[in-house]
Amino acid sequence: DAGITQSPRHKVTETGTPVTLRCHQTENHRYMYWYRQDPGHGLRLIHYSYGVKDTDKGEVSDGYSVSRSKTEDFLLTLESATSSQTSVYFCAISEPQRTDYNEQFFGPGTRLTVL
Amino acid sequence: SQQGEEDPQALSIQEGENATMNCSYKTSINNLQWYRQNSGRGLVHLILIRSNEREKHSGRLRVTLDTSKKSSSLLITASRAADTASYFCATGNRTGGTSYGKLTFGQGTILTVHP
Repeated sequence: DAGITQSPRHKVTETGTPVTLRCHQTENHRYMYWYRQDPGHGLRLIHYSYGVKDTDKGEVSDGYSVSRSKTEDFLLTLESATSSQTSVYFCAISEPQRTDYNEQFFGPGTRLTVL
Repeated sequence: SQQGEEDPQALSIQEGENATMNCSYKTSINNLQWYRQNSGRGLVHLILIRSNEREKHSGRLRVTLDTSKKSSSLLITASRAADTASYFCATGNRTGGTSYGKLTFGQGTILTVHP
């Protein structure tokens, strides 16, 4: 998985609790992304980062926040988890200037269940 | 909304047959990529085709791109049971700046290859 780890890999939580997912890379890639994958929707971009402390919203950013304090780590926070946020979350990285255009490399995913 | 729409949603074939999956998109792109996802795993990049290319090959994979029709196809020749997976197209658009690294994914085609 191209030097990308996600933690935790599985989490069950209750509605209203805060949750933080971590993505860690060892590739020194500038871009990092958080996606969610749901049946019938494919992958949808939540937030992405194009450098340390530089982030932007994706198409389904409501209810999520992110932070990137160093190149290797990108955190996704659900401030107050809801059942609609039950999903599989994938982190991805890319380095458009180094690799062939914006090929992305994916982590193994985190399965989150909100009860 | 998803940029890429894939067809068929599911495809079931016998080992040795060819598998063809199609992807349509809506806006101008600078590249189109295909990814594969095995059950329970992250996505893996297969092949990229630039907007000025019409066909590309990689091993048993053949990708075509028709920018006038805003469509692409992925052909897997002489399929094997190990090709069983979900296949996603993803488009990179022409906007520059910090959006340069972003991809928009389709909903995927589930391919099942029977031994």
